[in-house]
Amino acid sequence: EVQLQESGPGLVKPSQSLSLTCSVTGYSITSNYWGWIRKFPGNKMEWMGYISYSGSTSYNPSLKSRISITRDTSKNQFFLQLNSVTTEDTATYYCARYFRIRGYWYFDFWGPGTMVTVSS
Amino acid sequence: DVVLTQTPVAQPVTLGDQASISCRSSQSLVHSNGNTYLEWYLQKPGQSPQLLIYKVSNRFSGVPDRFIGSGSGSDFTLKISRVEPEDLGVYYCFQATHDPFTFGSGTKLEIK
Repeated sequence: EVQLQESGPGLVKPSQSLSLTCSVTGYSITSNYWGWIRKFPGNKMEWMGYISYSGSTSYNPSLKSRISITRDTSKNQFFLQLNSVTTEDTATYYCARYFRIRGYWYFDFWGPGTMVTVSS
Repeated sequence: DVVLTQTPVAQPVTLGDQASISCRSSQSLVHSNGNTYLEWYLQKPGQSPQLLIYKVSNRFSGVPDRFIGSGSGSDFTLKISRVEPEDLGVYYCFQATHDPFTFGSGTKLEIK
């Protein structure tokens, strides 16, 4: 079965960069698409972006100047970097597989999430 | 960006009754390929979101037939018949037709 696990610092200082890793088992990241989603305190959810099987990326324009999603296929991991964070980036961050084959598109497998607090 | 307006914000329900959640989009969610990429996710307390419905009305693997998605264009509904305790949590609609993808604001299904 496909499993994802986020990892990274739980506390980041304002103006610094947030870096998270998503480790995937049970499926190769050289197939399909792999995304990052975050949930803010309260209920608001935001799609941040994804990286494809070929390494191409798509980002939410609201983050475009700050976000980068990359990958290491040898480790079957993909990464999120968010620069110049503020307290408004405090959220729980999820990685997920974005299944996208033959007209079927959906997030079917999710990591458990990792909470990141931006505070000095 | 496409705005998905979910109502109600909270849905008090008696176990065994039906619940209904509405999701209205600020524009049509019909993709140029003819598909409508409207999904429903449930986030149970302490868990990550889980896929319930994709392409408006298709139940994901393992999802009970008590969950019924319907709608078209810009107006969608999720109905949950015979609500069970494991159905409680926050429901989100989500669209992937238009870039950037967007979520609805969430509906909390809670015990009356």
